[in-house]
This record gives sequence, C-alpha cells and structure tokens, in this order.
Amino acid sequence: QVQLQESGPGLVKPSETLSLTCTVSGGSLISYNWSWIRRPPGKGLEWIGFVYYSGSTNYNPSFKSRVTISVDTSKNQFSLNLSSVTAADTAIYYCARHQPVGITSFDYWGQGSLVTVSS
Amino acid sequence: QSALTQPPSASGSPGQSVTISCTGSSSDIGAYNYVSWYQQHPGKAPKLMIYEVTKRPSGVPDRFSGSKSGNTASLTVSGLQAEDEADYYCISYGGTRNWGIFGGGTKLTVL
Repeated sequence: QVQLQESGPGLVKPSETLSLTCTVSGGSLISYNWSWIRRPPGKGLEWIGFVYYSGSTNYNPSFKSRVTISVDTSKNQFSLNLSSVTAADTAIYYCARHQPVGITSFDYWGQGSLVTVSS
Repeated sequence: QSALTQPPSASGSPGQSVTISCTGSSSDIGAYNYVSWYQQHPGKAPKLMIYEVTKRPSGVPDRFSGSKSGNTASLTVSGLQAEDEADYYCISYGGTRNWGIFGGGTKLTVL
C-alpha cells in the first residue's frame, strides 16, 4: 500500500521560504507525477504544481515565480519550496500521487501538514 | 487562474439524490474530458470519487456518478447516506499552461 507523509516546519516567518518534503513508502516515485496541493483555512483546495520522477515540472501560474518542486528518487522523496511567504500562504499542505490514467486524478494523498506563516 | 464555480452548499435527505454542479469555460471543462471530483471529510485528506468526467475508481460506490454538458460538469450522489456529508471539490485540466483548476468546493449536508 502506497503511503505519503509530509514533513517540515509548522511555523514560517513572513518573507521567508516554506519548505516541505513528502516521503513515499510502499511504492516508487518512478513513472508517476507527484503534486503539492493546499487548503487555506476556510477556503478550498488549490493545486500548486507537480513534478515528474525525471524532474520535469509544471506549476500553477499563480505561484510560478515563488515555487520550486524537486524530486530525489534515491530517497523516494519530493519537495516543495515556496518563497516570500505571507499570511495568505497559511494552509494545510498535501502531497499526492497522480493516478496512472486520468489527468487531475490523485489516487494517494498524504495526511496533510499545517503550515502557519506568522512572525 | 480563475477557480471553477461550485455552489457553496447542497443538501438532501437520506435516500434522496443530490447533484452538485461545477462550471468552467470553453478552455477547461468545455475543452477536455479531464474533470475529477474529490470528497473531503473534516480533518481528512481528499478522496478521489470520479475521474475523466464519468469514471469511478475501484471501491467508490456506484451511488456516485459524474457527467458533463458544455462547460459544466456535475456530480450526482444517489441514495444519500449520512457518511456522504462532506465537502466536494471538482478539478479540471485547462491545458499545459493552466494545468489544474479546482472549484471552490461544495458542502453537502445530509438532513
């Protein structure tokens, strides 16, 4: 059974960089796309971007200048860096695997990691 | 990147059917058959319920069905059960430059 687990600081200061890692167990990163998705408090889901196991990426234009998603197949991990954060970036951040078929279909999710942006 | 439009809330009694709409544009829902629907219970991760407009992943009850007409996709939940009470989100592919656009979410209440 594939499992995803987010890890990283729960508190980030304004203007700094938010960094999260997703560790995949029970399966390989190979041949899949892997996404980061967030849900701000009281708001809906927002897709941030995805990385293919080869390292190619696709980002939501709303984040493009601030976001970097990378992959480390040797550790079976992929990571999110979001720079110049503000209070509006406070959210639960999820990592998710793309289903082999069906664009925009995520079949496995992490439990979510709450990140608060505050001084 | 504009969010897809969903009604903020929907409700129905046990056993009834309810349909949740998701309206986009000719650049996303109207252009591609890549609409997915997710169910999210409080404190839990979202769960894939429908993909490619009408397809159900293994394990999802056939009470859940999807459809599309023009720029609007819909999720229908038939035979409502108490455990269906949750938030529901649609997402559509919008091309390589607008890859994934979520709807604002609909809170489904089972009366």
